[in-house]
Amino acid sequence: GAGVSQSPRYKVAKRGQDVALRCDPISGHVSLFWYQQALGQGPEFLTYFQNEAQLDKSGLPSDRFFAERPEGSVSTLKIQRTQQEDSAVYLCASSSHSGRNRGDTQYFGPGTRLTVL
Amino acid sequence: AQSVTQLDSQVPVFEEAPVELRCNYSSSVSVYLFWYVQYPNQGLQLLLKYLSGSTLVKGINGFEAEFNKSQTSFHLRKPSVHISDTAEYFCAVSFSGGYNKLIFGAGTRLAVHP
Repeated sequence: GAGVSQSPRYKVAKRGQDVALRCDPISGHVSLFWYQQALGQGPEFLTYFQNEAQLDKSGLPSDRFFAERPEGSVSTLKIQRTQQEDSAVYLCASSSHSGRNRGDTQYFGPGTRLTVL
Repeated sequence: AQSVTQLDSQVPVFEEAPVELRCNYSSSVSVYLFWYVQYPNQGLQLLLKYLSGSTLVKGINGFEAEFNKSQTSFHLRKPSVHISDTAEYFCAVSFSGGYNKLIFGAGTRLAVHP
C-alpha cells in the first residue's frame, strides 16, 4: 500500500476484555514503532521492532500489553484485561532504515482509537 | 532525562497573519529535531526535520523552523497562515546513535480564524 494502515480505526471494549490492534507498515520498511496518544497529549513511545525482533519494549505500561511482528511485516498490539486508563489512540509508524539512527522519517498510520467503558 | 516542551497549548491567529509555535528540548546528547502536524482523525505528517548543517530548515506548506543550539530551541514559523493550517502541531526529538525513537512534546493547537 501507499502508506501505513491500521485496523480497526475505532474500538470500544468493556473493561476486562482483550483487544488486538493491527498495523500494516509500508512495504519493505524494516523499523516499526507503536505509540500511545492520550487525549490532549503527545504520542508516547511504547515499543520498537527491527524486522521481527522486538528491540525495545520499555514504553509498554504494564504486562497486560504485548506486541508482536512474527514475519517482520504486519504487527499486532494486544492489550489484555483492558482498563479505563488504556483509552487512547494507538499509533503505528514505520521507517525504512535500521541500525544507527540517522534521523530517518517515521511514517504514521491514522491510529486506532480505543475506548474502554 | 530528555524532554520536549511546547510552551503554548493553543495559539489563535487570524488568517494571513504570521505565526510562531515554540519548542524547547532538553538533552545531553546530539539530537535530531522534527515537527509533525496532525489533522483531525488523521495520523501525524512530517512538516520538516533538522539533522545537521544549516540551522534554518524549510518544510512543506510554507513552514520553516530554526534550530538554536545555545537556546535548545526549534521554533516553527509561517509568514502567512491559511484556514487549512488549523491543526495540532507536535515537536519531537530523537537521539543520534541507537534507533529513531521519537520523544514528543504535548502539542500546540493552532486555530486560524477568518
